[in-house]
Amino acid sequence: AQKITQTQPGMFVQEKEAVTLDCTYDTSDQSYGLFWYKQPSSGEMIFLIYQGSYDEQNATEGRYSLNFQKARKSANLVISASQLGDSAMYFCAMRDEETSYDKVIFGPGTSLSVIP
Amino acid sequence: EPEVTQTPSHQVTQMGQEVILHCVPISNHLYFYWYRQILGQKVEFLVSFYNNEISEKSEIFDDQFSVERPDGSNFTLKIRSTKLEDSAMYFCASAGGNSPLHFGNGTRLTVT
Repeated sequence: AQKITQTQPGMFVQEKEAVTLDCTYDTSDQSYGLFWYKQPSSGEMIFLIYQGSYDEQNATEGRYSLNFQKARKSANLVISASQLGDSAMYFCAMRDEETSYDKVIFGPGTSLSVIP
Repeated sequence: EPEVTQTPSHQVTQMGQEVILHCVPISNHLYFYWYRQILGQKVEFLVSFYNNEISEKSEIFDDQFSVERPDGSNFTLKIRSTKLEDSAMYFCASAGGNSPLHFGNGTRLTVT
């Protein structure tokens, strides 16, 4: 069965510093996808970055990068040069691409606060 | 950029009433989803829909819930007899073949 764990309910980071948000997952599938979403206080869900289990390189999108360690089943999000607008909830999500392709599950989220 | 549209943004209903939440997914997407989020907490999977039928559903999605794609563009979630605990933000999402989920802005359902 799929499971996503985010062990940091809340994080603080100084503006312009980098921050790492942790995500570990559990699945029996060999093929799966990992996603990160941002939810600001306004409530919308914004897609940030995707990593496929067979991708050899870590995904990057602008200031976002994903530190994918397959053997440890972790997919941590790294935000470089934090900005005040990065203050939001961040959700890690997973899709099993063999057994339940149509089901994407989310972790409990991490609340990030960027301090000026 | 195309987007997922949800209406209404806020729905207030009385306990026991039926409610229908509306979604217009991105036009060339094939997979459709409903999620709910209670008080900004965990985003819970309800149901996925592909090829005009439910492909996955969670234990939350019981007989009180149903989904429909009545025409080529709309995707609805119906709750037959609402309970207080159904109060939540309901998100619709859609995806192309191997793409990430694109979410609508949500419908806040308040059951009184």
